[in-house]
Amino acid sequence: AQTVTQSQPEMSVQEAETVTLSCTYDTSENNYYLFWYKQPPSRQMILVIRQEAYKQQNATENRFSVNFQKAAKSFSLKISDSQLGDTAMYFCAFPQGGSEKLVFGKGTKLTVNP
Amino acid sequence: DTGVSQDPRHKITKRGQNVTFRCDPISEHNRLYWYRQTLGQGPEFLTYFQNEAQLEKSRLLSDRFSAERPKGSFSTLEIQRTEQGDSAMYLCASSLNQGGYTFGSGTRLTVV
Repeated sequence: AQTVTQSQPEMSVQEAETVTLSCTYDTSENNYYLFWYKQPPSRQMILVIRQEAYKQQNATENRFSVNFQKAAKSFSLKISDSQLGDTAMYFCAFPQGGSEKLVFGKGTKLTVNP
Repeated sequence: DTGVSQDPRHKITKRGQNVTFRCDPISEHNRLYWYRQTLGQGPEFLTYFQNEAQLEKSRLLSDRFSAERPKGSFSTLEIQRTEQGDSAMYLCASSLNQGGYTFGSGTRLTVV
């Protein structure tokens, strides 16, 4: 079975600091997408960043960047200059077996403290 | 188009009643997905449509659950004879391809 593991159930960071959320996954596919989603309390799931597995360059979106290690099947999310609005659940996800359905990790609850 | 819309936002129902949820995807997206999310967990896949065809169903989708997308646009998810274990957030998402999924705000179901 293809799985996604987020080993940090909760994390906290001070405003303006940098935090890294970890994610490992298991797949036999060679080409696939990886995603990080943010879900603020009682609010909509929002795409933060995505990585295409065939691209060696790590994806970056403003303060958000990933460290993608394909051989290690690791896909961590780095948030720089953390803001109070970054407080949310963060989910790592990828399409299972090259299919259309996303498999999600259990999430990491991030709290940004003032 | 403002995104994926789900209706209602909240639904409280008595055990044994039937409920139906609606999802309106982004208009140009031909793929539509239903997920279920329980408290403290990541979303779990329920079913997937490409246009009007239901191409994949999870084992989680028991015979009490049915989903339709009759004209390849909006979709409905019906739960018959609801049970307390059905209480969850039901999320709808749409996409053009595997590269991007847009989620709706979800329908929170509480079965009492």
